[in-house]
Amino acid sequence: EVQLVTSGGGLVKPGGSLRLSCAASGFTFGGSTLNWVRQAPGTGLEWVALISSGNSYIHYADSVKGRFTISRDNAKSSVYLQMDSLRVEDTAVYYCATMNGPGDPFDLWGQGTMVTISS
Amino acid sequence: SYVLTQPPSVSVAPGKTARITCEGNNLGPQAVHWYLQKPGQAPMLVISYGRDRPSGIPERFSGSNSGNTATLTISRVEPGDEADYYCQVWNSSSVHQVFGSGTAVTVL
Repeated sequence: EVQLVTSGGGLVKPGGSLRLSCAASGFTFGGSTLNWVRQAPGTGLEWVALISSGNSYIHYADSVKGRFTISRDNAKSSVYLQMDSLRVEDTAVYYCATMNGPGDPFDLWGQGTMVTISS
Repeated sequence: SYVLTQPPSVSVAPGKTARITCEGNNLGPQAVHWYLQKPGQAPMLVISYGRDRPSGIPERFSGSNSGNTATLTISRVEPGDEADYYCQVWNSSSVHQVFGSGTAVTVL
């Protein structure tokens, strides 16, 4: 089955860290560009970060630059999001999503994992 | 930063046509993608590159793009089409993915 399974969400205090994982199956993971997209409660979609198939380019939204790090392990068909210096405004459901390249559509989404930042 | 503007809500009667707009500077030449999202679910692609329907998406869904506006059209609307709809582009200048603000479609 073609799918992305997201994990690692939870409740963290402001200033803390969390690492999200997204495991892929059923397709050629190594050739895909991977993204993280988040959605704060009751709001719209916000792109967070992307990493290309060969790690040749990595880009971040301005709101997370310098605090979040995206990485991938093609051998494990997984993409990760290391989140440091977390803020209350980082509270959201985090989705991973694949695409062929940056101008292509997000064609497969994970189920999402909830991250709550609260003291 | 690049901004895509959508109407917050669109209401439509069953069987009628819903049109959802997405406005952005010089949007016409860009590859616009559309997603629907139902409550508690992940988004799902319904139109790619402005007008292409992925496999499994009904022909009732169509897209167009001209000037500064992209439009998602849902013909013969059904109750199951009730969802939030988002447009999206890749902004090569800022190397950012950009989502529209989202439109809640209500079937009356």
